[in-house]
Amino acid sequence: QKEVEQDPGPLSVPEGAIVSLNCTYSNSAFQYFMWYRQYSRKGPELLMYTYSSGNKEDGRFTAQVDKSSKYISLFIRDSQPSDSATYLCAMKGAGNMLTFGGGTRLMVKP
Amino acid sequence: KAGVTQTPRYLIKTRGQQVTLSCSPISGHRSVSWYQQTPGQGLQFLFEYFSETQRNKGNFPGRFSGRQFSNSRSEMNVSTLELGDSALYLCASQTSGGSDTQYFGPGTRLTVL
Repeated sequence: QKEVEQDPGPLSVPEGAIVSLNCTYSNSAFQYFMWYRQYSRKGPELLMYTYSSGNKEDGRFTAQVDKSSKYISLFIRDSQPSDSATYLCAMKGAGNMLTFGGGTRLMVKP
Repeated sequence: KAGVTQTPRYLIKTRGQQVTLSCSPISGHRSVSWYQQTPGQGLQFLFEYFSETQRNKGNFPGRFSGRQFSNSRSEMNVSTLELGDSALYLCASQTSGGSDTQYFGPGTRLTVL
């Protein structure tokens, strides 16, 4: 079993919808949680970074962490076609090695 | 501030050859990490360098190696290339470690024929 599980999708939604992306993890040592967005043939781009349980909001994006359940989420409000990409959750413990989920492919249709 | 740069962006090699990839981190960042991304395995950590020393290492064979220079630029080398080494190789930089997060470059796409 992988340390970080993420539904690969694809997830297809209409423009303007609220998108929910999720990851579960098994390693209790993970302390820092990130969401990256990756467009085709590009490097991952950092969207959200958090290290405590609870919610963090940045524009249309909200990251949620529940350490007791080992579950993290990313919500995208008012989704746009330009949000179509692969979304990767990543996490790390005390060291600098990021452990990634497999990524969820999101398609937002106009 | 300029982002992470990687060269070359694309490479085609044949089995048995070796390859060297280069990464220049964001100015002021001293830690450089390398990752391999493939459709089957996703993003996997190769190694991390900090102040010219390898600080962490992932679960890859010894054919994969790296180094870091005094200006924080890093190179990774893959010797005796195999078909399975075809991947996007990503470099990420961060200031030092701990709570800092990592910023990725555009990657080098390596194709092994």
